[in-house]
Amino acid sequence: GESVGLHLPTLSVQEGDNSIINCAYSNSASDYFIWYKQESGKGPQFIIDIRSNMDKRQGQRVTVLLNKTVKHLSLQIAATQPGDSAVYFCAETRGSNFGNEKLTFGTGTRLTIIP
Amino acid sequence: DTAVSQTPKYLVTQMGNDKSIKCEQNLGHDTMYWYKQDSKKFLKIMFSYNNKELIINETVPNRFSPKSPDKAHLNLHINSLELGDSAVYFCASSPRLAPSEYNEQFFGPGTRLTVL
Repeated sequence: GESVGLHLPTLSVQEGDNSIINCAYSNSASDYFIWYKQESGKGPQFIIDIRSNMDKRQGQRVTVLLNKTVKHLSLQIAATQPGDSAVYFCAETRGSNFGNEKLTFGTGTRLTIIP
Repeated sequence: DTAVSQTPKYLVTQMGNDKSIKCEQNLGHDTMYWYKQDSKKFLKIMFSYNNKELIINETVPNRFSPKSPDKAHLNLHINSLELGDSAVYFCASSPRLAPSEYNEQFFGPGTRLTVL
C-alpha cells in the first residue's frame, strides 16, 4: 500500500553541525507535506510544511526539500542545538474536496545532538 | 493556557477493563482527532470529528468509541481492553478539515495507556 518511510531511524550529530533527515513517500498523489518534531513525553509539533508545487521552503534554521521525481523529502536543520534532539516525522496528505483527508506519518527518525 | 489537554497522562489497567481518555481544546477549532502511537513511535490516525460529526474512522475496532459532546471536546472510550491497545494516544485539533497550509494540527501531550 501507500506509505511514507524514513531511510534512517537514528541520527547523531555534533552540536553546531548541520543535520539532514530524509523521508521517502510512495503516493504520487500526495501534494502536501509536513515535518513534525516530537520531544520526549510530548506530542508532535509542527515545524515546516511544503506544497507539491514547490521544491524548497525555508524557515528559521530549517529547510525542507521536496523531490517529486523520486518521491523524496528532506529536512535540513542548520547549526544544531541540544534542543533539536527529538524524533522527527514527515507526514503527507493528498488534497481533495471531500474533507476526509488525513495525515499519513512516516516512521520517524531520532535525532540526537552531541554536546 | 494549555491549547490541547488530555487526561489522564498515564493509565495502567488490566485486560478486559473499560477505560476513557478525555481531550479538550481551547483554540476554538472545529476539527479534532485521535491518533495512536505504538511502541515503535509509529503514529496513525484513528478518528477525526468536525463540529461533533464523525468524519474519519480508520477501521478501528468497535471496542473504541469516540464521543464529542461539543466541538471543544473529543473523548475516547475503550471497551474490553487488550494487550495490543497499549500505546500512547494523542488528541489533536485543527481549525477545520483537510490538512493544508494555515490549518495546522495541534497535538496534546498524549496519554500513555498500559494494559497488563
